[in-house]
Amino acid sequence: DTGVSQDPRHKITKRGQNVTFRCDPISEHNRLYWYRQTLGQGPEFLTYFQNEAQLEKSRLLSDRFSAERPKGSFSTLEIQRTEQGDSAMYLCASVMGVSTEAFFGQGTRLTVV
Amino acid sequence: DQQVKQNSPSLSVQEGRISILNCDYTNSMFDYFLWYKKYPAEGPTFLISISSIKDKNEDGRFTVFLNKSAKHLSLHIVPSQPGDSAVYFCAASGGEYGNKLVFGAGTILRVKS
Repeated sequence: DTGVSQDPRHKITKRGQNVTFRCDPISEHNRLYWYRQTLGQGPEFLTYFQNEAQLEKSRLLSDRFSAERPKGSFSTLEIQRTEQGDSAMYLCASVMGVSTEAFFGQGTRLTVV
Repeated sequence: DQQVKQNSPSLSVQEGRISILNCDYTNSMFDYFLWYKKYPAEGPTFLISISSIKDKNEDGRFTVFLNKSAKHLSLHIVPSQPGDSAVYFCAASGGEYGNKLVFGAGTILRVKS
């Protein structure tokens, strides 16, 4: 087990393009979270899956954002028509059972130019 | 409206001395608190946690204290080591936030050798 894995680590894209990030959680963890972190701030919750079901989305998550977790394993986060304000570190975390201790991946740093 | 606040953006400590990082929260329904450490270009790493039914939890060099009446928690690192230099985030969960983590903005700790 190598922990939570995110791909890519870095992504530079032009404004208006679509991007997709992938997260592979720790294998026995049934809960998966996406957070976004901007400079000087702590991570902010975006969305949460329990197995394959997306149970909650933050109001930070505009209609341009969509997340999936097919088969309750890996998850993808897609941003359509990227804007400069989307530039941030996107973090994935997984949690086992009813624990509150989330294990984070290394993040994907998105830069929109 | 920041529900978890880390009012010290940075802290500098001499190697071998105690580091004390502080965190305040406003939501009395939070029932679980965590500290994460983050190195540049990496995701947050879980350090230590405490339930609201306790006032102290210790793990090696790290101790977290919780003062519910003051809505305040602190992380003590003794003795501090240069490898402890990182950004430390306080996080809380519970209440209307359920199992999502609400993070403070972080405190940069520098341990000088």
